[in-house]
Amino acid sequence: NAGVMQNPRHLVRRRGQEARLRCSPVKGHSHVYWYRQLPEEGLKFMVYLQKENIIDESGMPKERFSAEFPKEGPSILRIQQVVRGDSAAYFCASSPLSQGISYNEQFFGPGTRLTVL
Amino acid sequence: AQTVTQSQPEMSVQEAETVTLSCTYDTSESDYYLFWYKQPPSRQMILVIRQEAYKQQNATENRFSVNFQKAAKSFSLKISDSQLGDAAMYFCAYLTGNQFYFGTGTSLTVIP
Repeated sequence: NAGVMQNPRHLVRRRGQEARLRCSPVKGHSHVYWYRQLPEEGLKFMVYLQKENIIDESGMPKERFSAEFPKEGPSILRIQQVVRGDSAAYFCASSPLSQGISYNEQFFGPGTRLTVL
Repeated sequence: AQTVTQSQPEMSVQEAETVTLSCTYDTSESDYYLFWYKQPPSRQMILVIRQEAYKQQNATENRFSVNFQKAAKSFSLKISDSQLGDAAMYFCAYLTGNQFYFGTGTSLTVIP
């Protein structure tokens, strides 16, 4: 069983370019979460998606950042016109069911380390 | 607002000894879950142990155990018989609804 896969593992972009980060959830999981880890910090929630729906994007910057989870294919986190402050590790996690009070474990991917020159 | 505080940026322990990592959290929720994750240099997030807030019994997983004090909002991790492979960043995390809230981490060094 393959776990959560993220690619690329490392991504280098120059200021002003676009970054696309991909996340393939565990097979059968229909819920995806994106987190950002800045240097020397813990992970911070960005967005929660189900297939074709954004459920909670309260942690997502209002500009330049977008996320999607199409019916087919991986989830994509897109950062337009990257700036140096976007340099971070971006983690994706997936779970099989919605998490309300009943706990469903989130399985984390290995992360994508974005470096903006 | 939910916050998670890890007051020890760095800790060290002698191999085979025991170490305790501290974590406190702030919440107004009554139902939630608490976790400890390990992040080795590979940066993979590895679940170490989890605790349901409604359970009074402290969770244990082999050499890892927690001391969960709900009234004090404290959730410490004890690692017994420390091994070299335990060296990593350890993150305490709180889950409610769909969001995880992570602490800033404790870097654990294991001394041979």
